[in-house]
Amino acid sequence: DAGITQSPRHKVTETGTPVTLRCHQTENHRYMYWYRQDPGHGLRLIHYSYGVKDTDKGEVSDGYSVSRSKTEDFLLTLESATSSQTSVYFCAISDNRGATEAFFGQGTRLTVV
Amino acid sequence: QKEVEQNSGPLSVPEGAIASLNCTYSDRVSQSFFWYRQYSGKSPELIMSIYSNGDKEDGRFTAQLNKASQYVSLLIRDSQPSDSATYLCAVVPKGGSEKLVFGKGTKLTVNP
Repeated sequence: DAGITQSPRHKVTETGTPVTLRCHQTENHRYMYWYRQDPGHGLRLIHYSYGVKDTDKGEVSDGYSVSRSKTEDFLLTLESATSSQTSVYFCAISDNRGATEAFFGQGTRLTVV
Repeated sequence: QKEVEQNSGPLSVPEGAIASLNCTYSDRVSQSFFWYRQYSGKSPELIMSIYSNGDKEDGRFTAQLNKASQYVSLLIRDSQPSDSATYLCAVVPKGGSEKLVFGKGTKLTVNP
């Protein structure tokens, strides 16, 4: 299995609080992605990174920010959590442009109450 | 039109049958196509990739790509109960893009 670790695996937080999810990789892959998965919507790209300090928005980026200060870490921050951000969040990594052969982390189940 | 569309299913087949999963995409210049399998409560795992028109076989799995029709499919021969999962079609929508766009997935159940 690819070396990807997401933390925490589960979190319950209150509306209006900031939340940070972490993705850590040991593969030295250049590309890292954050997706959310919701029933009826499939996997939707939130943000992605193509190098240290190089990030770009995906299709559902509102209310989220990311940072990548080291190759191995990609952080996703919910600036002020809302109930609509209750979801399962997946991090993925790829060594190739175009996300060929992307490998996924175990997922983080976030509940905003 | 959503970039990648799949029949949400569910699709139910008997053990030993061929399961056929379909996907269409909207961007004509898409270059890379993937099928992921996701068991309930687990993360997606890559099972097939295809980049050129035609068929690509790997064991019981065959991916088929038709760029003119903007259509990609996955056939699972001799379906087993362990194949029961949600299958996600994914496309890199533009040549050179770093993004990977997923369909909503098709839930497959293989009945013993």
